[in-house]
Amino acid sequence: EDKVVQSPLSLVVHEGDTVTLNCSYEVTNFRSLLWYKQEKKAPTFLFMLTSSGIEKKSGRLSSILDKKELSSILNITATQTGDSAIYLCAVEAKSSGDKLTFGTGTRLAVRP
Amino acid sequence: NAGVTQTPKFQVLKTGQSMTLQCAQDMNHNSMYWYRQDPGMGLRLIYYSASEGTTDKGEVPNGYNVSRLNKREFSLRLESAAPSQTSVYFCASRRTGKETQYFGPGTRLLVL
Repeated sequence: EDKVVQSPLSLVVHEGDTVTLNCSYEVTNFRSLLWYKQEKKAPTFLFMLTSSGIEKKSGRLSSILDKKELSSILNITATQTGDSAIYLCAVEAKSSGDKLTFGTGTRLAVRP
Repeated sequence: NAGVTQTPKFQVLKTGQSMTLQCAQDMNHNSMYWYRQDPGMGLRLIYYSASEGTTDKGEVPNGYNVSRLNKREFSLRLESAAPSQTSVYFCASRRTGKETQYFGPGTRLLVL
């Protein structure tokens, strides 16, 4: 059974800080790892990491996949209050029929 | 494009009542999914449909049934609601395994 563990469960920082969120996984026949941001409603897509694309960056957010360590990190630099959200990590196996297995998420609060 | 739409947005049921949650997508996606999200539990897959006419169980299917009515619509039915089914329900769709899932706005269900 595929498994995703995220840490920390929650985090409080001040504006301007840099944060690193962690995701470790166990999956047979890995295909991809995805990061989502969830504010009040539906999750919105941030990054997809695969064997052929192990590092992604968009503005202040970046993510790296470590296939050897079976983990990924999501970095947010110069945090803003608008970064406050739950960050979800999910993995997909090649044999899963397009199913994703999600972690429980990291709740990030950015204080002014 | 409306993306993924869900109805209703909020529903209160009494134990034993039945209801159907509706989901539709206008992106011509093949795969559709139903998740539930509970505090501290992340997103858990209830059922999914890899293509029109097919459905498969996810992680927590007990107490639910689904129908993939056509390529656009994927409904989730609770035949006899229980308080343990109080949750936020998200529908999602995906074109292929190389793309992300897109989520609907969610349905908040309270079973008394």
